[in-house]
Amino acid sequence: DAGVTQSPTHLIKTRGQQVTLRCSPISGHKSVSWYQQVLGQGPQFIFQYYEKEERGRGNFPDRFSARQFPNYSSELNVNALLLGDSALYLCASSQGNGGEKLFFGSGTQLSVL
Amino acid sequence: AQSVTQPDIHITVSEGASLELRCNYSYGATPYLFWYVQSPGQGLQLLLKYFSGDTLVQGIKGFEAEFKRSQSSFNLRKPSVHWSDAAEYFCAVGPSGGYNKLIFGAGTRLAVHP
Repeated sequence: DAGVTQSPTHLIKTRGQQVTLRCSPISGHKSVSWYQQVLGQGPQFIFQYYEKEERGRGNFPDRFSARQFPNYSSELNVNALLLGDSALYLCASSQGNGGEKLFFGSGTQLSVL
Repeated sequence: AQSVTQPDIHITVSEGASLELRCNYSYGATPYLFWYVQSPGQGLQLLLKYFSGDTLVQGIKGFEAEFKRSQSSFNLRKPSVHWSDAAEYFCAVGPSGGYNKLIFGAGTRLAVHP
């Protein structure tokens, strides 16, 4: 079975632009979580979606938004990009809403110039 | 405030030597504790987790960790390090009943000398 897949793997944007990152969970997994990992730091929780509903949100501005589709794939959108948004964005999936093992994708490396 | 501290940013050990990576946490309730490993260009892989019960937990790749409530610590250990263990290691804490909203430490980068 395929693992968690994220696209694209790398992305370069300029300040003020908007970006959409995509994540496909493992087949059968209904929960998707997004994390931001800035260079030299640990991942920070951004969002969790379960059954197409937002179940948790981290301390990120409203420029960050996400959604989950009926097939449980997910998109993370970031508007009005800032230099500080440059990071590795990780997606993780799990079967349920909590208490299960998280499986991480390899991430999307976003560079904002 | 909830937080995880990994005091060692970078550790270098010789192949075959023992390893201990430190992790201290601050969390209001009884937490779930995790260790993840990240190799370059890869996502995070779960090494082990502690929910309750025996305070010494065994994980994959020969790793183990001990939960010490009195010290708010969850240190990772391995008796004999292999060159393939070179990677970045993250300690994380999460709410009981949920994996998904994890708080990660800043990580410890492990280098292994032959």
